[in-house]
This record gives sequence, structure tokens and C-alpha cells, in this order.
Amino acid sequence: AQKITQTQPGMFVQEKEAVTLDCTYDTSDQSYGLFWYKQPSSGEMIFLIYQGSYDEQNATEGRYSLNFQKARKSANLVISASQLGDSAMYFCAMRSLTGGGNKLTFGTGTQLKVEL
Amino acid sequence: GAVVSQHPSWVICKSGTSVKIECRSLDFQATTMFWYRQFPKQSLMLMATSNEGSKATYEQGVEKDKFLINHASLTLSTLTVTSAHPEDSSFYICSARTSRSYEQYFGPGTRLTVT
Repeated sequence: AQKITQTQPGMFVQEKEAVTLDCTYDTSDQSYGLFWYKQPSSGEMIFLIYQGSYDEQNATEGRYSLNFQKARKSANLVISASQLGDSAMYFCAMRSLTGGGNKLTFGTGTQLKVEL
Repeated sequence: GAVVSQHPSWVICKSGTSVKIECRSLDFQATTMFWYRQFPKQSLMLMATSNEGSKATYEQGVEKDKFLINHASLTLSTLTVTSAHPEDSSFYICSARTSRSYEQYFGPGTRLTVT
């Protein structure tokens, strides 16, 4: 069974500052993928970044980077230069890549509020 | 590219009636579609996985007869909530993926309110 843990129900950050959203995971699979999604108040799920378990480099997408520490089973999201529009719910998720695995397992989410 | 639409975006129905929610992949063929349910300020809970042309696989605790899923084509899946009750009120989100991509593309969601 897979499990995603996000221990920060809410976070505040000042505009233009960087913020780290924590995510730890548990799985017995050797091959898996880790995802971060943003969900604004409108409800849509916006894909941010992906990290494969065998990727040696940490994934980066613009202002988003994923701090992947495989031995610690953590996949923290770093948002640099926060903007007001970054205020949203953020979900960490994972999927097994073995056996044609399809399911995404989500964490409980972190509500991020960017302040002036 | 990779756009998924849902219709309707919100619906209000009376208790005891049925309501159908459509999920369409607009610019790609979705071999697999997923239906999630989300309560306010909570995470997404997977309800079922459907592959085109075959029966949906439901997660434990999800009533198959209450939440009917049909994946009739590579671009359309429907979720029908039968004999809806107020406790079925929730935000329903679909997603879709192809066999060639690790990514799931999410629809904008449907907010269902049962009165």
C-alpha cells in the first residue's frame, strides 16, 4: 500500500519569499512517480511537477522545484519568489510505475497563503 | 493540449433523483479515466478507475450500483449518481491519461448539491 503524508495543514509566506511544502511517502515499490498539484479555490487540479524514483536530478519547472530525498522518502516542493496567485491548496501524490499501475494516491494537502 | 472537460460544472438535484456527469478528453484519447470525490477542505478520494470498453474498477467502500460509471469511448466517461441523497453532495473530479504518459489530466470538477 502507498501512503502520502503532508504534515502542514496550512502555511503562510510573504510575497517574493521562497516556501517549502513538505511531503513524505511510503511505498514498497521500487519504481514510482511523485507529483505535486495545485488546487485554487475554483477547484481545478493543476499539475506542477513530476519526479520519477529513478531520476537522479531533482525536477524543476520554472519557480517550482522538487527536493527529492529518496533515502528519507521525502519529496518536498519548493516555490521560489512566491506570488499572490500561488495562494491555493497543494497536494502531493504518488503512483506506482510497476505493473502498469494507474492509481494516484494523494496526501491531505497544504493550504498556502501568500501575503503582501 | 491535454484538456479534460466536465459537464455540468455544478448541479443541484432533489433527493431521490439521478444525475449524470460527463468527462471528456478534448484533444487526446484517454485509455483510462478516473473519478474522484472531494469533500470540503479534504483530499481527493479515488472512487473508480475505468478503461475504455470494460467495466469500471471500484475502490473499496464505493457502491457500484449507486455510482454508475460508463467509459463508452476513448474520449468520454460518465458518472451517474443514482437515487441521490444529501450525503452525496460533494465535488466530483475526473481525470484521464493515455498509456504513453505518466501524467493524469484533470477536469475542472463538478459540484453536486442534493437537496
